[in-house]
Amino acid sequence: GAVVSQHPSWVICKSGTSVKIECRSLDFQATTMFWYRQFPKQSLMLMATSNEGSKATYEQGVEKDKFLINHASLTLSTLTVTSAHPEDSSFYICSARDPQSLNYGYTFGSGTRLTVV
Amino acid sequence: GESVGLHLPTLSVQEGDNSIINCAYSNSASDYFIWYKQESGKGPQFIIDIRSNMDKRQGQRVTVLLNKTVKHLSLQIAATQPGDSAVYFCAENIKNTGNQFYFGTGTSLTVIP
Repeated sequence: GAVVSQHPSWVICKSGTSVKIECRSLDFQATTMFWYRQFPKQSLMLMATSNEGSKATYEQGVEKDKFLINHASLTLSTLTVTSAHPEDSSFYICSARDPQSLNYGYTFGSGTRLTVV
Repeated sequence: GESVGLHLPTLSVQEGDNSIINCAYSNSASDYFIWYKQESGKGPQFIIDIRSNMDKRQGQRVTVLLNKTVKHLSLQIAATQPGDSAVYFCAENIKNTGNQFYFGTGTSLTVIP
């Protein structure tokens, strides 16, 4: 089945630095990927839609200059948290859909836990 | 984003009993719904989906019911097992707005052996 891989799975960074998270579709091509953010014991909040070869579409309230998204190929989207602060500490999850899939379900990566100290 | 669900509720059931997890949505234009299961520290896993032209769909041990009149859907898990312990989310796609899904608050299910 469709597999989405995220890297790293866990990262600790100092306040003010930037962190890049990768999301890869391993056995299918994805023109669109989605980035979510999840705080402890809360739901997933859609941050942005990553579009291959074009600009990402951000949800209302999400700072595009803070969360840079690049979707340079059909199998890779990256999310860069710039000038990270402790309040950016969260679980970041990406998803993509295999167009060959029989159902419309999106496959999620295993998530990246970001801790900013 | 859209509002789906309210505060995170919890549900405890005895092993072998049936579980019913509920979800309310607010956008009447939502026409496709997915139930996901999320275990601690992992990404969500697809369980079952349903389109708005249906009111019931069954899978293996799971059934999803959709009531468009009151904007409510439920996930029924038959013969609940310890491995079913997780947080369950409903997610909605709004017609003609793209392929993005918005998640509900979630329900934490604990199965008591």
